[in-house]
Amino acid sequence: AIQMTQSPSSLSASVGDRVTITCRASQGIRNDLGWYQQKPGKAPKLLIYGASRLESGVPSRFSGSGSGTDFTLTISSLQPEDFATYYCLQEYNYPRTFGQGTKVEIK
Amino acid sequence: QVQLQESGPGLVKPSETLSLTCTVSGGSISTYYWSWIRQLPGKGLEWIAYIYSSGSTNYNPSLNSRVTLSVDSSKNQFYLKLRSVTAADTAVYYCARTTNIRGYTAYDLWGQGTLVTVSS
Repeated sequence: AIQMTQSPSSLSASVGDRVTITCRASQGIRNDLGWYQQKPGKAPKLLIYGASRLESGVPSRFSGSGSGTDFTLTISSLQPEDFATYYCLQEYNYPRTFGQGTKVEIK
Repeated sequence: QVQLQESGPGLVKPSETLSLTCTVSGGSISTYYWSWIRQLPGKGLEWIAYIYSSGSTNYNPSLNSRVTLSVDSSKNQFYLKLRSVTAADTAVYYCARTTNIRGYTAYDLWGQGTLVTVSS
């Protein structure tokens, strides 16, 4: 199975900060990668698909980039509602595998 | 709008079978892939399996063939059975829909999740 390694595992940031989360795949996955946001007690929510394509209704402060093995999720200006855990997910092959998550906390 | 809802026992005894149902409301179960994903307590997400509306399946090898998925299109439901459970199977179980957006797949719709505890 493809291993997805996210970093950092957690970070502290302030409202208005630019935040970057990275995800590395153990082998090339083209751009078959999604980013999901999860808040406590809730199901994950799709933010980005195809590595860089914004899901409908998701604020434009979220963006994704990368291809092959290295990917990035960027939040351009962190808002109070963005404090959550973020997961990457490879959709290149089965079994699907998630990164271990990045918890974004309030500084 | 389309919604997913998991249902099933919240407590299962070790060595028994965990059985969950996902009901799709507000839309048809046809022509989509439907998955089960779980989240171990305080930990990350693990993809379990998918089933297509026609009944074809794909399972995560890590679950050692303990898993079976099935679908009942007439009821707009799909099902998860996980046999021989242990405490390590205690998790929140989510059902989710896979959609195809411009040639890319993604899980665009999720149930709220149901906590299943394995304990005697």
